[in-house]
Amino acid sequence: GAGVSQSPSNKVTEKGKDVELRCDPISGHTALYWYRQSLGQGLEFLIYFQGNSAPDKSGLPSDRFSAERTGGSVSTLTIQRTQQEDSAVYLCASSLVDYTEAFFGQGTRLTVV
Amino acid sequence: DAKTTQPPSMDCAEGRAANLPCNHSTISGNEYVYWYRQIHSQGPQYIIHGLKNNETNEMASLIITEDRKSSTLILPHATLRDTAVYYCIVRASNSNSGYALNFGKGTSLLVTP
Repeated sequence: GAGVSQSPSNKVTEKGKDVELRCDPISGHTALYWYRQSLGQGLEFLIYFQGNSAPDKSGLPSDRFSAERTGGSVSTLTIQRTQQEDSAVYLCASSLVDYTEAFFGQGTRLTVV
Repeated sequence: DAKTTQPPSMDCAEGRAANLPCNHSTISGNEYVYWYRQIHSQGPQYIIHGLKNNETNEMASLIITEDRKSSTLILPHATLRDTAVYYCIVRASNSNSGYALNFGKGTSLLVTP
């Protein structure tokens, strides 16, 4: 497909388990962003990649969160020892270069039970 | 701090023009105004952006005041499918977060039959 693809679309996990969320950006897009949207809340920026590098990881909510990007393409957001407050929709966006418009995927809805 | 102010909600009759205002009085000279919308349970969708000139595309028109302190998004013939939360975003560069979008609370637009 031509758009940003995220998988899985839905994930239910038990508290304390680790989860991996995947983002396939639009082909050729160098910038990639992760956001989180909790129920009824606005979008919260988590992390930005330019190529495979993330200049600043301080937007991640805690040290249980990590993200990587390989080959300048696919990105994975990992949450270790999930907590109920991690329940949210995790959204990925990509743009051709930093300053061009960003396109979003449909998100992964994470539910921690 | 979203740097923009929008009314929390608006109504519009189907077929009429929807005019969504946004104040961004502290905008800097190199900052663009972006508009996105989020239809329920979907990822944000890019609509349009501009710097100082008015812009038009197949979705909408963007009118930016001469002093750039405010703008209006115009949906010329609103349909029921335009019901969504509309976000006005001042997009700036940050070395650590790239051009991450700072989503505020947006305007919830309800298009009625």
